[in-house]
Amino acid sequence: QVQLVQSGAEVKKPGASVKVSCKALGYTITPYYIHWVRQAPGQGLEWMGIINPSGGATDYAQKFQGRVTMTRDTSTSTVYMDLSSLRSEDTAVYYCARIKTGTTHFDYWGQGTLVTVSS
Amino acid sequence: DIQMTQSPSSLSASIGDRVTITCRASQDISNYLNWYQQKPGKAPNLLIYVASSLQSGVPSRFSGSGSGTEFTLTISSLQPEDFATYYCQQSHSTPLTFGGGTKVDIK
Repeated sequence: QVQLVQSGAEVKKPGASVKVSCKALGYTITPYYIHWVRQAPGQGLEWMGIINPSGGATDYAQKFQGRVTMTRDTSTSTVYMDLSSLRSEDTAVYYCARIKTGTTHFDYWGQGTLVTVSS
Repeated sequence: DIQMTQSPSSLSASIGDRVTITCRASQDISNYLNWYQQKPGKAPNLLIYVASSLQSGVPSRFSGSGSGTEFTLTISSLQPEDFATYYCQQSHSTPLTFGGGTKVDIK
């Protein structure tokens, strides 16, 4: 069945970088855009950006421009989100989620990856 | 950026109650509006897409309506498993944006 399986929890120091992976299982990755959404503790959902696995084009939220990089490896059906210059406000659960080409809704989400930024 | 405003931010209701949540967009988004349910420690789950289409497997007590800037999510008869937080999300344009959420708890 369709699954998005994310990498495990991370603890990072301020100023460091984190790379979170999202592996697609049970479907062909290329017809589906992958988005990254984060949720700080007790807070709402915040969109970070999108990657098109077919070709690798990206679009990032302005808030994260210059700090976020989204990449993909089609051979392993895996998408990556790299966030640099971490600060305490980046402590959050990071989700990947897919949207099928031609549709506009997130139909499957990863289980989430908790990233804790603490000195 | 399109701002999404949900109301109320929280509500208390009883089993069997009819519950309505409102979402307003800061500009016309046509019907590019989705609703998600999130339970503690879990990823959001799609309920309604393009304002009024019920996602496969979602109970028919959930319904959505609206277009332009005003949208509603209705739960016709609240069930124990419906106590959760609900988010609207616009997919008209990037950056995609979410409402602040509505927490539904037990009265």
